[in-house]
Amino acid sequence: GAVVSQHPSRVICKSGTSVKIECRSLDFQATTMFWYRQFPKKSLMLMATSNEGSKATYEQGVEKDKFLINHASLTLSTLTVTSAHPEDSSFYICSAPTPRGVGYTFGSGTRLTVV
Amino acid sequence: DAKTTQPPSMDCAEGRAANLPCNHSTISGNEYVYWYRQIHSQGPQYIIHGLKNNETNEMASLIITEDRKSSTLILPHATLRDTAVYYCIVRDERGGADGLTFGKGTHLIIQP
Repeated sequence: GAVVSQHPSRVICKSGTSVKIECRSLDFQATTMFWYRQFPKKSLMLMATSNEGSKATYEQGVEKDKFLINHASLTLSTLTVTSAHPEDSSFYICSAPTPRGVGYTFGSGTRLTVV
Repeated sequence: DAKTTQPPSMDCAEGRAANLPCNHSTISGNEYVYWYRQIHSQGPQYIIHGLKNNETNEMASLIITEDRKSSTLILPHATLRDTAVYYCIVRDERGGADGLTFGKGTHLIIQP
């Protein structure tokens, strides 16, 4: 149980275009989801907290107008990277607290390459 | 959340027990010790957590010292698929209201 599905697993896009990444909780409801970014050989960095029915909260240094987060339902959060540039190329990972309240479950990640 | 210190890398022979240390000398009384791992190009996976008692599940054992300033994650019979970065994270229980702060972790390499 407590599976988080993330899609797509890999995407290549051109500079200046936008990319949407979806994160779904498959067998539980998640009022809160988290989005992380991971550059090569680096650790995960929390980008933002997605809150169902309200605005996302962003970590310091993360541009909210560039990384649009929508949490329209209790099972779906989306991250849209707008006007992507090569420096946005990274591994994006979502997660949600497990329904048992023990730890977090993570999606499988999305490898974004901007060319 | 308290800061943790882990060795950057470790090797372990396949079939042997892998013991991964973590120092968390500034841990406070209401903070738990969590372990996650991340296999290359995948999302992290929860392994185990504990407060002060030793814990065991189907994946691993967690040994926490009596003063709670350090802990050891034990994979009893390591396999090649256990090669991953292992993260020790200390945090209090706030019902999942906050995201996790990941350190650099330990890159465990299981040798055939």
